[in-house]
Amino acid sequence: QQQVKQSPQSLIVQKGGIPIINCAYENTAFDYFPWYQQFPGKGPALLIAIRPDVSEKKEGRFTISFNKSAKQFSLHIMDSQPGDSATYFCAASPNTGNQFYFGTGTSLTVIP
Amino acid sequence: DVKVTQSSRYLVKRTGEKVFLECVQDMDHENMFWYRQDPGLGLRLIYFSYDVKMKEKGDIPEGYSVSREKKERFSLILESASTNQTSMYLCASSPPWEYGYTFGSGTRLTVV
Repeated sequence: QQQVKQSPQSLIVQKGGIPIINCAYENTAFDYFPWYQQFPGKGPALLIAIRPDVSEKKEGRFTISFNKSAKQFSLHIMDSQPGDSATYFCAASPNTGNQFYFGTGTSLTVIP
Repeated sequence: DVKVTQSSRYLVKRTGEKVFLECVQDMDHENMFWYRQDPGLGLRLIYFSYDVKMKEKGDIPEGYSVSREKKERFSLILESASTNQTSMYLCASSPPWEYGYTFGSGTRLTVV
């Protein structure tokens, strides 16, 4: 079964909008939650990551919000640009190793 | 710049053929992984390796095997290719003390 559930499957926003991608998990052993960005023809690249001891992390225009009690985390992209158009994957890893479980991906399109 | 190199970008093979997908990393990473990526299913772990000659099954190992004779090289083997193995295959590596993968660009395999 899918260990990390991601939504929506696709998202279209206008330039400058704030797309939000959500992920949920059940396994309380997960202790590291990265987001990966994938452009067509490329492998995924690490974008930003968070641990459960903080509720929010910002890196540039990208913010992760983390709700430990709800077992949910989300990616917000501020002032989105057409160059942000890509597929985004959330992931989670247990504290026993660095095997990752990935969400099903969100295809983001930012319209100029 | 660190790199994970997958030997082929596109590959077309016939049903029943034995297929080798090669992955080489130049970062001296201990950990290497093979994922397959399918629309709507995200990334699913096939096999991984924490050291030379070591291998562990992931979530979907059936129909696949792996080989790691040298630290920098991790090969995925399809013993008898089938059409349901048509997919994008992604190799990744990571050091043991850090979270986060470096992915290769992927091999799109079509089995006809």
